[in-house]
Amino acid sequence: NAGVMQNPRHLVRRRGQEARLRCSPMKGHSHVYWYRQLPEEGLKFMVYLQKENIIDESGMPKERFSAEFPKEGPSILRIQQVVRGDSAAYFCASSRLQSQETQYFGPGTRLLVL
Amino acid sequence: QKEVEQDPGPLSVPEGAIVSLNCTYSNSAFQYFMWYRQYSRKGPELLMYTYSSGNKEDGRFTAQVDKSSKYISLFIRDSQPSDSATYLCAMSAYQTGANNLFFGTGTRLTVIP
Repeated sequence: NAGVMQNPRHLVRRRGQEARLRCSPMKGHSHVYWYRQLPEEGLKFMVYLQKENIIDESGMPKERFSAEFPKEGPSILRIQQVVRGDSAAYFCASSRLQSQETQYFGPGTRLLVL
Repeated sequence: QKEVEQDPGPLSVPEGAIVSLNCTYSNSAFQYFMWYRQYSRKGPELLMYTYSSGNKEDGRFTAQVDKSSKYISLFIRDSQPSDSATYLCAMSAYQTGANNLFFGTGTRLTVIP
């Protein structure tokens, strides 16, 4: 039973480029969460999605960041015009249901902006 | 004030020692409490999941929640070198439409053989 899958595992971008991070939830899970982990900091919630719906994006920066979870295919976290401060580990988690369900995390994508 | 506070350590103990890890929080709406273990450059792995106050034991691990004090703990008995990792506490109110987890910064633990 495959766990949460994320790719790429490492991503290097130059300032101003776009970064696309992909997340495939565990089989049977329809809820996806994105978190960001900055060096020496805890994970910070960014966005919560179900298929074709953004449920809670209260943790997303107002500009340059967007997320989607289409009916078919993985969830995508997109960062436009990256800046050095976007360098971090981005983790995706999934759960089967919304309430009272634990979230299982993927291995993360480490983004480095040069 | 952060919603979840956790001593970042680092914490070093000899093999076989009992380890105590703790977090405090400020939001009284939190009802679900979790401990994750994160090895270097890996994703967090769920260790313990508890609801409301009380104790939960799983093998060498015991999680305690004291909602009156807004204080949670994770105890590791007979610690092993393989327990060396960063331990993250996390919690949630799990209200409808607000499902996100709030994490502590993590405590880095090293168990010395």
